[in-house]
Amino acid sequence: GAVVSQHPSWVICKSGTSVKIECRSLDFQATTMFWYRQFPKQSLMLMATSNEGSKATYEQGVEKDKFLINHASLTLSTLTVTSAHPEDSSFYICSAIPSYEQYFGPGTRLTVT
Amino acid sequence: GENVEQHPSTLSVQEGDSAVIKCTYSDSASNYFPWYKQELGKRPQLIIDIRSNVGEKKDQRIAVTLNKTAKHFSLHITETQPEDSAVYFCAATPYGGATNKLIFGTGTLLAVQP
Repeated sequence: GAVVSQHPSWVICKSGTSVKIECRSLDFQATTMFWYRQFPKQSLMLMATSNEGSKATYEQGVEKDKFLINHASLTLSTLTVTSAHPEDSSFYICSAIPSYEQYFGPGTRLTVT
Repeated sequence: GENVEQHPSTLSVQEGDSAVIKCTYSDSASNYFPWYKQELGKRPQLIIDIRSNVGEKKDQRIAVTLNKTAKHFSLHITETQPEDSAVYFCAATPYGGATNKLIFGTGTLLAVQP
């Protein structure tokens, strides 16, 4: 099956700093990737759709200036959490679609102190 | 937009029993319904999916049924085993749409007691 990787798997940062999370499709090209956020014991909340070569499409209520998404190539999308605060601490998961099925990355655990 | 509701939120069964999880969706345009299993701290894994032109699909101990008229679909796990314990999410999407984005249900924590 298709493989999606994420880096880093976990990160701790101080409040006010920015953190970049990478999502890569390893064995297929992905013009579209998705970013989700998951709080403990809760569902996956779609944050945005990342489109290669164009601007991301953000879901209602997601601050695009805080969660910067760049899809610079057909195998890489990045999510940058800017000026992170403790409430941004969460599990961030990306996904990509080789055909119609979504494959998920392993997730990134972000802790903001 | 699409809204997906999922019940129950928690489900405890004895090993060997069956488990049923139900979801309803609001957007009649949705026509692809996957189910994901997520173990603690890990990524969601697709376990079965169904498209709207099919009423039922089965894969060994797992089956999914779809009622388009009522806009609900269900996951059935038979002969449950302790390794089936996990959180299960249903999702819906308008298949063939420009983005194929998934809208997830709220999840069901399944505990299979040995």
